[in-house]
Amino acid sequence: GENVEQHPSTLSVQEGDSAVIKCTYSDSASNYFPWYKQELGKRPQLIIDIRSNVGEKKDQRIAVTLNKTAKHFSLHITETQPEDSAVYFCAALSGGYQKVTFGIGTKLQVIP
Amino acid sequence: KAGVTQTPRYLIKTRGQQVTLSCSPISGHRSVSWYQQTPGQGLQFLFEYFSETQRNKGNFPGRFSGRQFSNSRSEMNVSTLELGDSALYLCARFKRVNEQYFGPGTRLTVT
Repeated sequence: GENVEQHPSTLSVQEGDSAVIKCTYSDSASNYFPWYKQELGKRPQLIIDIRSNVGEKKDQRIAVTLNKTAKHFSLHITETQPEDSAVYFCAALSGGYQKVTFGIGTKLQVIP
Repeated sequence: KAGVTQTPRYLIKTRGQQVTLSCSPISGHRSVSWYQQTPGQGLQFLFEYFSETQRNKGNFPGRFSGRQFSNSRSEMNVSTLELGDSALYLCARFKRVNEQYFGPGTRLTVT
């Protein structure tokens, strides 16, 4: 089955700096890679996603890159703000069976 | 409305007991997935139901089971509870192709 590794597990950055979270996956059939943000006490919410036919996608301060050959994808947050503090999960989904495998999560702390 | 309702929101059980959790996606959404979230293991996939049939299953022991009804509501059952089953149990439906929308979760504490 699919295995998704995510690192780092914790990340502290100064407000205004950039944050990068990296994930690798094992199943070459995976074709959809979402990123979820979970604030304390709340449900995970999708913030950005990328499909296997795209190398990069950007939405304001958030961007995701995908390297299919190396089987890794990354989340980039620029100009971080305190409200970016949360746990971020990467995930991979393969085929049409909608089985989603999540990474372990990264706790991001943005220091004002 | 992109809702998923989960009940109860909080639950305390004793080791050895069993528990049933409920999830109701908005009408018409036939796919429901369940996840267990713990601090050490992150989000782990339990199973997915589509039109009352279990379509995918994660690597959990047989004590974890589920079902889905014709109205898309789903239940998850855990028998012979263990301390390690304490977790947040999340239910999700697919809001659009591949994008999951999570419910608020049920916080289960086993003492």
